[in-house]
Amino acid sequence: QKEVEQNSGPLSVPEGAIASLNCTYSDRGSQSFFWYRQYSGKSPELIMFIYSNGDKEDGRFTAQLNKASQYVSLLIRDSQPSDSATYLCAVMRDTNAGKSTFGDGTTLTVKP
Amino acid sequence: KAGVTQTPRYLIKTRGQQVTLSCSPISGHRSVSWYQQTPGQGLQFLFEYFSETQRNKGNFPGRFSGRQFSNSRSEMNVSTLELGDSALYLCASSWDRGFEETQYFGPGTRLLVL
Repeated sequence: QKEVEQNSGPLSVPEGAIASLNCTYSDRGSQSFFWYRQYSGKSPELIMFIYSNGDKEDGRFTAQLNKASQYVSLLIRDSQPSDSATYLCAVMRDTNAGKSTFGDGTTLTVKP
Repeated sequence: KAGVTQTPRYLIKTRGQQVTLSCSPISGHRSVSWYQQTPGQGLQFLFEYFSETQRNKGNFPGRFSGRQFSNSRSEMNVSTLELGDSALYLCASSWDRGFEETQYFGPGTRLLVL
């Protein structure tokens, strides 16, 4: 079992729809959770981070964390074609060890 | 504030050669981590440096090494390059304040080994 698993893609949604990206992790000691967006040929760009159970909203993005279920998700409301990218879920166990474990990513396509 | 910078951006080497990549973290960030990204393996952690000391290491052979300087700049070195070392090498920096640690990535160095 991989340490961080993301829902297999690719995911395609129409413009204006809600895109839902999911991630599960195996290490119960994980403390910090991140969503990165990566455009083709570019480096990962941080979108959201979440540390506590519940929801965290930032503009069109909402991250949801459920530590009991070892589950973290990212919702993108009013999806735009510019949101088309690969979304990477990352999990950090020790905040003073500089190591994030990444999922394989989910490729999202938003169709105009 | 300037972001994480990496040099060079692109590199072509042949098998058996060695390569050194450089990373300058965001000003004030003390932790520098290195990752390798390939289509087959995804993003994998190489190692992390803090205060010129390697604090954490991933599962890579000893051909991969690194160091950090007193100004937090970091270098990674790969000796005896193999074809499978072709990848995007990413550097990420963070404050290292303890809780609520967030890593910010540089643009990466794309290495092609022929």
